[in-house]
Amino acid sequence: DAEITQSPRHKITETGRQVTLACHQTWNHNNMFWYRQDLGHGLRLIHYSYGVQDTNKGEVSDGYSVSRSNTEDLPLTLESAASSQTSVYFCASSRVQKGLYNEQFFGPGTRLTVL
Amino acid sequence: AQSVTQLGSHVSVSEGALVLLRCNYSSSVPPYLFWYVQYPNQGLQLLLKYTSAATLVKGINGFEAEFKKSETSFHLTKPSAHMSDAAEYFCAVSSETSYDKVIFGPGTSLSVIP
Repeated sequence: DAEITQSPRHKITETGRQVTLACHQTWNHNNMFWYRQDLGHGLRLIHYSYGVQDTNKGEVSDGYSVSRSNTEDLPLTLESAASSQTSVYFCASSRVQKGLYNEQFFGPGTRLTVL
Repeated sequence: AQSVTQLGSHVSVSEGALVLLRCNYSSSVPPYLFWYVQYPNQGLQLLLKYTSAATLVKGINGFEAEFKKSETSFHLTKPSAHMSDAAEYFCAVSSETSYDKVIFGPGTSLSVIP
């Protein structure tokens, strides 16, 4: 069955370190998204991609970067981790169907703690 | 700016009682509206969606929601709560600039008391 996976599921790191969170989907979806989930804020969009070599900033992109070298993967990098980036991170993907809403399928999440 | 508000960050109901989770949105264009559910330690899954067809939308697990344009609301209901309904529920609205993006509300945590 097609799926979307994230790794690691839990990560503890130190302030200032570079961290990369992996997201891999086998749906063959063109669209991929990264969100962070914080209490009282719901999910906020960090970055998104509509296809290979395409990346776009979301509402909370500062301190994060992504790259899309193939359809299946969209890794999220924290260039220099800060305590404010302690959060649960979700990756999602959706297919492209112009003019219609395209349901997003979510991964299980990565819990990141920055000490 | 678009926004989604969910009244009540935490709701408790007794098993068998009515579940009502409230959602109000703001959008300058006709919206698509969604409810997602998140079970503990899992990702989100789509519960139901409104895409401008019938205003009363039925979803999985006996949930339904009604779109009321005049009230800019999309409240989620279920006639009889089950213990398995305990989860976090998120209301979301499609982005004004792209159908591929959604804006999530802050979430409501539902507890079901035996």
